[in-house]
Amino acid sequence: DGGITQSPKYLFRKEGQNVTLSCEQNLNHDAMYWYRQDPGQGLRLIYYSQIVNDFQKGDIAEGYSVSREKKESFPLTVTSAQKNPTAFYLCASSDSWVTGNGYTFGSGTRLTVV
Amino acid sequence: RKEVEQDPGPFNVPEGATVAFNCTYSNSASQSFFWYRQDCRKEPKLLMSVYSSGNEDGRFTAQLNRASQYISLLIRDSKLSDSATYLCVVSRTGGGNKLTFGTGTQLKVEL
Repeated sequence: DGGITQSPKYLFRKEGQNVTLSCEQNLNHDAMYWYRQDPGQGLRLIYYSQIVNDFQKGDIAEGYSVSREKKESFPLTVTSAQKNPTAFYLCASSDSWVTGNGYTFGSGTRLTVV
Repeated sequence: RKEVEQDPGPFNVPEGATVAFNCTYSNSASQSFFWYRQDCRKEPKLLMSVYSSGNEDGRFTAQLNRASQYISLLIRDSKLSDSATYLCVVSRTGGGNKLTFGTGTQLKVEL
């Protein structure tokens, strides 16, 4: 079955460490996105990629980095510069970057700073 | 003003009831609208797109009022399994398929 796989499901990070969250899709979708969700807040856009080898900053990109070397993969690195990284991270994809397409989400990664 | 505003609830309703959620959005140029469902500690899942003429999918009916920048979701004959948070989602302008998510309305269906 086609879908989006995020790993790991739970991740614990020590302060000062960089960690990378994996996102892989086999839907043949062009566009991919990273959002974070905090309690009581809506999803906030971190980075998005309209096509392979291209990505753009979203609303809260500071302290994060991404790459899009393959169509299927869009990993997110949470760097030590991100001051409040504890959150639920969601990766999504859409058939194209043209407006009108809903997203398919992965099951998310819960990141906790310890 | 938030880009997408929803009443957070919770809405506690008995099984079989009809319940309606509302959502307002601030960007009059938005072109695409959706309702997503999110279960506790899970990812959002697309429930339905919302079209200008209104649309129905089984027990779910969505309406869009562009003049008032208002979206609604009606659930008829609610089931225990409908208990979830419902997210109102609106497309952004400025290129790309970027979506803005509301904070959600929580529904609890009880026996």
